Amino acid sequence: NAGVTQTPKFRILKIGQSMTLQCTQDMNHNYMYWYRQDPGMGLKLIYYSVGAGITDKGEVPNGYNVSRSTTEDFPLRLELAAPSQTSVYFCASSWDRVDSYSGNTIYFGEGSWLTVV
Amino acid sequence: DAKTTQPNSMESNEEEPVHLPCNHSTISGTDYIHWYRQLPSQGPEYVIHGLTSNVNNRMASLAIAEDRKSSTLILHRATLRDAAVYYCILKTSYDKVIFGPGTSLSVIP
Repeated sequence: NAGVTQTPKFRILKIGQSMTLQCTQDMNHNYMYWYRQDPGMGLKLIYYSVGAGITDKGEVPNGYNVSRSTTEDFPLRLELAAPSQTSVYFCASSWDRVDSYSGNTIYFGEGSWLTVV
Repeated sequence: DAKTTQPNSMESNEEEPVHLPCNHSTISGTDYIHWYRQLPSQGPEYVIHGLTSNVNNRMASLAIAEDRKSSTLILHRATLRDAAVYYCILKTSYDKVIFGPGTSLSVIP
């Protein structure tokens, strides 16, 4: 199993450019999440999805858009990049069964380092 | 806002036990308590989870208070590789998962 795969791993953007961070998971998880992590700080939830066709805002959604057309993919779109969006972005996924065994363990990707200059 | 509170940082000597506390006074009956850790320049990884009873696995133990309003992650013998940020979160179905700042654990050789 590849788990959660994010691309690209590193990217430099100019102010005002747009880009899409790709995220795919091969575990058939219903839940998917996008977090950002600024240097020395904790994780902030940007958007999340509880299934294909369903997305919702997290703590810091401004400046981002998402879509969930398939169970496997959850791309994050940055429109009009700003220096404040310089961060590390983590995609994650989890199963939707609440039971004592799985407990909805969250699996994270390796991160995408984005710099906006 | 995060539903959990943790100390910002802790220190431990190598090969000694470490007890990382977490308070979650507003926990609901369907919330699982999850612990994750994040090594430098890596994504968070799962450590352990529980609902009501204490749990053990190869990485750690989780002690849950009887009223479930607090829990403690126990690393039985800290190693240098355990130096990381440890996050305690509450997880339930059909809800977003909010992480707090976590506890930064330093291990002293």
